[in-house]
Amino acid sequence: DTGVSQDPRHKITKRGQNVTFRCDPISEHNRLYWYRQTLGQGPEFLTYFQNEAQLEKSRLLSDRFSAERPKGSFSTLEIQRTEQGDSAMYLCASSTGPRGFFGPGTRLTVL
Amino acid sequence: GQQVMQIPQYQHVQEGEDFTTYCNSSTTLSNIQWYKQRPGGHPVFLIQLVKSGEVKKQKRLTFQFGEAKKNSSLHITATQTTDVGTYFCAGPKGNTPLVFGKGTRLSVIA
Repeated sequence: DTGVSQDPRHKITKRGQNVTFRCDPISEHNRLYWYRQTLGQGPEFLTYFQNEAQLEKSRLLSDRFSAERPKGSFSTLEIQRTEQGDSAMYLCASSTGPRGFFGPGTRLTVL
Repeated sequence: GQQVMQIPQYQHVQEGEDFTTYCNSSTTLSNIQWYKQRPGGHPVFLIQLVKSGEVKKQKRLTFQFGEAKKNSSLHITATQTTDVGTYFCAGPKGNTPLVFGKGTRLSVIA
């Protein structure tokens, strides 16, 4: 069990730029989640995959956000035309059942 | 919005005092999970409760799931500085298996 990994760990970008984050789940975990967390708040659900199928997407997610999990393994989360309000920690979790295993997160700062 | 509500939002205790956080849902939950997040860290799974009225213990931590499966609590006996962090409950909402509450941030004063 090598754990969930995320890349990069930190990203600083200018407003209006596009960013892409990667999540590598624990091997054979069929469920993969993306969350966003700001200071003092709980993880806010963004989207959820079961294998390669994106089953749920939060209404909070604007059209600027897109996520993929092309082969049911790793996943990418892309944010287009970043805004300062996108600054947050982006967490990925994976599971085979209800229990989630979280990665270390990618901290995004939009200047 | 969040499926589960947690109270209190913050709790400051003296080391050695007990601590309890509560989680409430407007709907029946098939299961509820508890996570701990240390400052600067990511959420780490503590436990899952599934059965009505279930009580589970992990050393100084006691977890309960209500009879109606709409509420849960986490109680820590004789807090230590290592207990510092934010405790989250999480449960299913619609087709999403894992939606988090806003958490209770615990500070322990030595």
